[in-house]
Amino acid sequence: AQSVTQLDSHVSVSEGTPVLLRCNYSSSYSPSLFWYVQHPNKGLQLLLKYTSAATLVKGINGFEAEFKKSETSFHLTKPSAHMSDAAEYFCVVSGVTGYSTLTFGKGTMLLVSP
Amino acid sequence: NAGVTQTPKFRVLKTGQSMTLLCAQDMNHEYMYWYRQDPGMGLRLIHYSVGEGTTAKGEVPDGYNVSRLKKQNFLLGLESAAPSQTSVYFCASSLTSGGPNEQFFGPGTRLTVL
Repeated sequence: AQSVTQLDSHVSVSEGTPVLLRCNYSSSYSPSLFWYVQHPNKGLQLLLKYTSAATLVKGINGFEAEFKKSETSFHLTKPSAHMSDAAEYFCVVSGVTGYSTLTFGKGTMLLVSP
Repeated sequence: NAGVTQTPKFRVLKTGQSMTLLCAQDMNHEYMYWYRQDPGMGLRLIHYSVGEGTTAKGEVPDGYNVSRLKKQNFLLGLESAAPSQTSVYFCASSLTSGGPNEQFFGPGTRLTVL
C-alpha cells in the first residue's frame, strides 16, 4: 500500500520569498513521486517527477524537490515566489509496476501576496 | 495535439437524472482514468482502463459506470445522479502504468447535482 501526506493545507508567502511545500510518503517499494500543480479552474500540470535517477529533481518554473529516503520526504521548494505561483499543489506517489495507480495527497494551497 | 479533452465543461443535473461524460485523448495512450476532486480530498480514482475494451474499479466506483469502446475515448456514466456526486471530474491518460509514467490530465468537468 502507498500513501501521501501533505503536511500543510495552506502556505502563505510574500512575492520574492522562498517557497517550501512539505510532503511525506509511505510505500512498500522504491516509489516514483510527482508534484502536480493546479491553477484555479484548470486541470493538473506536471511540475516534476522523481524516478530514482537523481535525488534532487528540477522541474518547470524554477521549482525543485529533493527525495530523502531516510525521512520518507519529497518536499517542493522554490527560491523566490512569483505571483503566478499561486495555485494548489499535489504530491503524488506511484506504485512500481503493474496496474498501479497514482495516490494523491490532499493538496496544499499556495497563496502569494505582493 | 489537443492532449486530453473533456466534454462538457459544466453540467447541472437534478437528482435521479442520468448523464455521460466524454473523455478523448490523441496521444495513443493505453491507460485512461477518471477521477473526482472534492475540496480537501485531493483526487480520488473512480474507474480506470488498461486498454480498449477493459475497465476496472478504482477507489470510489459506486454510482458510476464506464466504457472504453475505442482506445481514444473513455466514457463515465451516472445512471441516477445524487447530490453526493456534485464534484469536479478529471480524466487522465498515460502511456503505461506504474513507476515514473506521467498521467496527462484534461481540463475537468464541473458537475452540480441538485
